[in-house]
Amino acid sequence: EPEVTQTPSHQVTQMGQEVILRCVPISNHLYFYWYRQILGQKVEFLVSFYNNEISEKSEIFDDQFSVERPDGSNFTLKIRSTKLEDSAMYFCASSEIAGEQFFGPGTRLTVL
Amino acid sequence: AQSVTQPDIHITVSEGASLELRCNYSYGATPYLFWYVQSPGQGLQLLLKYFSGDTLVQGIKGFEAEFKRSQSSFNLRKPSVHWSDAAEYFCAVAPGNAGNMLTFGGGTRLMVKP
Repeated sequence: EPEVTQTPSHQVTQMGQEVILRCVPISNHLYFYWYRQILGQKVEFLVSFYNNEISEKSEIFDDQFSVERPDGSNFTLKIRSTKLEDSAMYFCASSEIAGEQFFGPGTRLTVL
Repeated sequence: AQSVTQPDIHITVSEGASLELRCNYSYGATPYLFWYVQSPGQGLQLLLKYFSGDTLVQGIKGFEAEFKRSQSSFNLRKPSVHWSDAAEYFCAVAPGNAGNMLTFGGGTRLMVKP
């Protein structure tokens, strides 16, 4: 069964450093998403991406964040200058079309 | 703006007992509705979804959920809980359009007593 994969599973970085989280969505899916879950809190939407551009983003997704689909398979989330409060589990998801999103296992980001 | 409330943060049931997890949503129209399960250290797995039609939907692992428009609810049920069902359960809604954001509830942590 096809699945969304994410690398790395755990990333530790120093405050102020740039990080890139990688995702490989399911191959025939058209919509791509990033969510995050701060420890003990609810899962929050960050951004959705369709047809090579951002289709929707939340207030969390400020200028420090960017997304890219650099080739036909990868979907990346970049945080330019990490802050302590960026520590969270980041989930990538993809969907064919209407609503049903399939999630990856997540990347745990720890900012020191 | 849409919102989702899961009133129960923790629920403990005995193995073999029935289960109902509550979910209430706020949205102007009928949204798409979902239940996801998250086991410790794992990602989110879709249990079931409601888009339209029959208001009682069946999912994986013996779960079902019923959409009640009058109560703005989408409660998850299982007639007999197994120890492996211990996990965190999230209700989520999305606008009835393709490719839109999911809004999640705060989650309900289910513990199963032997």
